[in-house]
Amino acid sequence: EAQVTQNPRYLITVTGKKLTVTCSQNMNHEYMSWYRQDPGLGLRQIYYSMNVEVTDKGDVPEGYKVSRKEKRNFPLILESPSPNQTSLYFCASSLGTGYSNQPQHFGDGTRLSIL
Amino acid sequence: AQKVTQAQTEISVVEKEDVTLDCVYETRDTTYYLFWYKQPPSGELVFLIRRNSFDEQNEISGRYSWNFQKSTSSFNFTITASQVVDSAVYFCALSPARGQNFVFGPGTRLSVLP
Repeated sequence: EAQVTQNPRYLITVTGKKLTVTCSQNMNHEYMSWYRQDPGLGLRQIYYSMNVEVTDKGDVPEGYKVSRKEKRNFPLILESPSPNQTSLYFCASSLGTGYSNQPQHFGDGTRLSIL
Repeated sequence: AQKVTQAQTEISVVEKEDVTLDCVYETRDTTYYLFWYKQPPSGELVFLIRRNSFDEQNEISGRYSWNFQKSTSSFNFTITASQVVDSAVYFCALSPARGQNFVFGPGTRLSVLP
């Protein structure tokens, strides 16, 4: 089954404790992206990747890191989480060969609470 | 800079009513793509439609229809004879045809009451 898998689905942690949210897709997609969803703001793009070893900042990259060492995986890293990063996070992937104009497939979301 | 506005934060209708969700966008690109996604109460994001900026034909898919008007930078979504299962948050989104970022609007929460 074609899917984007995020882990964990839920996480409660404390300020400053490094965490990683994993994202994996099995569709051989080149384009992957991370979003955060906050009430009234919709989804905002954090980082995206056009292919292995190619990543770039979205609209709200501060406080986040990503890596793309393999085509299927695109982890989101919070080196020193803060309460303002409490949010619902989505990973997505699409066929986009060079561009982001294809429909994106989304994971089920990760709800992060940082105390 | 790209921007998507969905002015309606929340809409409530009674089942079988028609409802239109508005989407207005801003972009300097001459070619771009517009999207609609649905987020039901279960939380997943479901792709509904993608439209190229060169194609201004309206599209109908069952009870769903989309009205793209380049002159007013709008891409509105109409649900005919709404059903309770249509209750969800609906997002409009924009991507340049030859770019790499993706911009969502803030979403419209639609509640269809029985």
